[in-house]
Amino acid sequence: DAGVIQSPRHEVTEMGQEVTLRCKPISGHNSLFWYRQTMMRGLELLIYFNNNVPIDDSGMPEDRFSAKMPNASFSTLKIQPSEPRDSAVYFCASSFRLAEEGSYEQYFGPGTRLTVT
Amino acid sequence: AQSVTQLGSHVSVSEGALVLLRCNYSSSVPPYLFWYVQYPNQGLQLLLKYTSAATLVKGINGFEAEFKKSETSFHLTKPSAHMSDAAEYFCAVKKLNFGNEKLTFGTGTRLTIIP
Repeated sequence: DAGVIQSPRHEVTEMGQEVTLRCKPISGHNSLFWYRQTMMRGLELLIYFNNNVPIDDSGMPEDRFSAKMPNASFSTLKIQPSEPRDSAVYFCASSFRLAEEGSYEQYFGPGTRLTVT
Repeated sequence: AQSVTQLGSHVSVSEGALVLLRCNYSSSVPPYLFWYVQYPNQGLQLLLKYTSAATLVKGINGFEAEFKKSETSFHLTKPSAHMSDAAEYFCAVKKLNFGNEKLTFGTGTRLTIIP
């Protein structure tokens, strides 16, 4: 079975440009998470969705960041305009949430390495 | 707020030696606990998880971890290190309540294996 799929794997862009990162969760999973990993700040949760609805976006750095999940098999994280400090690896993860017990492990994609010059 | 502390950002062990990676959590009630591994240029992969069942949890690749409530610890061990174990390891905690999906990760421990 395919795992979490992210595209592109690498993105290099200039400051001020719009960047869109894409994620396809594991089929059947109903929760999706966006993380950012940097050397300075480690692994940070940006936002997560359950059944395509944003549940917690308290980790989104600022209004330049937005995330959508139009259906159960696709999500995007957009940065507009991008800045050099947004350079990081962005991970998407998915899990299956049991109504009675909550969800357990998250399955991570390979990440998108973003470089903003 | 719950959190995890990983002692030692870098650990080096000889091939064949015991691996011990430390993780302590802070939570008012025992949470769910996880260990993830990240190989270079890859995403995180679940090694094992504790969900309030057995306190000694066995995972993949010969790793195991023991939940000790009295010490608020969840240390990761492997009896004999292999070169392929070189990676970064993350401990994570999740509150034990329905509706909270958030994992809080530690800062990671980079494991180096000495031939």
